Amino acid sequence: GQSLEQPSEVTAVEGAIVQINCTYQTSGFYGLSWYQQHDGGAPTFLSYNALDGLEETGRFSSFLSRSDSYGYLLLQELQMKDSASYFCAVRREIKAAGNKLTFGGGTRVLVKP
Amino acid sequence: DADVTQTPRNRITKTGKRIMLECSQTKGHDRMYWYRQDPGLGLRLIYYSFDVKDINKGEISDGYSVSRQAQAKFSLSLESAIPNQTALYFCATTRTGGDEQFFGPGTRLTVL
Repeated sequence: GQSLEQPSEVTAVEGAIVQINCTYQTSGFYGLSWYQQHDGGAPTFLSYNALDGLEETGRFSSFLSRSDSYGYLLLQELQMKDSASYFCAVRREIKAAGNKLTFGGGTRVLVKP
Repeated sequence: DADVTQTPRNRITKTGKRIMLECSQTKGHDRMYWYRQDPGLGLRLIYYSFDVKDINKGEISDGYSVSRQAQAKFSLSLESAIPNQTALYFCATTRTGGDEQFFGPGTRLTVL
C-alpha cells in the first residue's frame, strides 16, 4: 500500500519561515506534488518535484530526496494569506502518459500577526 | 477562462436516494478524476478516467459509479446514498503528461 505522513498543524508569525515535511511509502513513485487549499476552496497546485533537489517558486520552495522517501515544502516570508492547508501528494505512473495522485492528510498552517 | 465546473455546489439528500454529481471542463484535458475529502483525511481518489473509453477504480470506489459522457464531462453517481458518504467531492483534470491537476470548486454533499 501507500502512506504519506505530514504534520497536522503548524503555527507561525508573519514574516517567519515554515517547513512542512512529508515522508512517503509507495510503489511506482514518480514524483511529489504540493497543493494549497484555503478553507472552503479547491486545492491549487504549488509545485512538483520529480528529481532530487530544491525547486524554488517565489516565496515557496519544495525539496525531494528520493533515496530518503522524503520531501518538504518551505514557506518563506509568511503572510496572513498563507494561512491554509497544505497537502503533499505522491504521483504514481499507472499507465503510459497517465498519472494518479495519493494525498497526505494535510498540514494546517496558521499565520499569526 | 478555461475552467473546471461542478454541479450542484451543495446538496442535501436522504439515505437511499440516487445522486449524480456532474463535472465539466473547458481545458481540453483528457484526464479526469473524482476525489472525496473528509476532515483530516486529505483527498481520496474514487475514480479516474484517462479518456472516454478508459475508466478506472480508485482507492474508495465502493458505493460509487461514474460515466464519461464526453471528453469534457465526467459524472459521479451514488446509487443509494448513505450517511457516511457525506463529504466534500472534487473533480480534477490534467493534460496528458501534465504535472498539475486542476480542481473544480467542489460539491458539498450531505446524506441524512
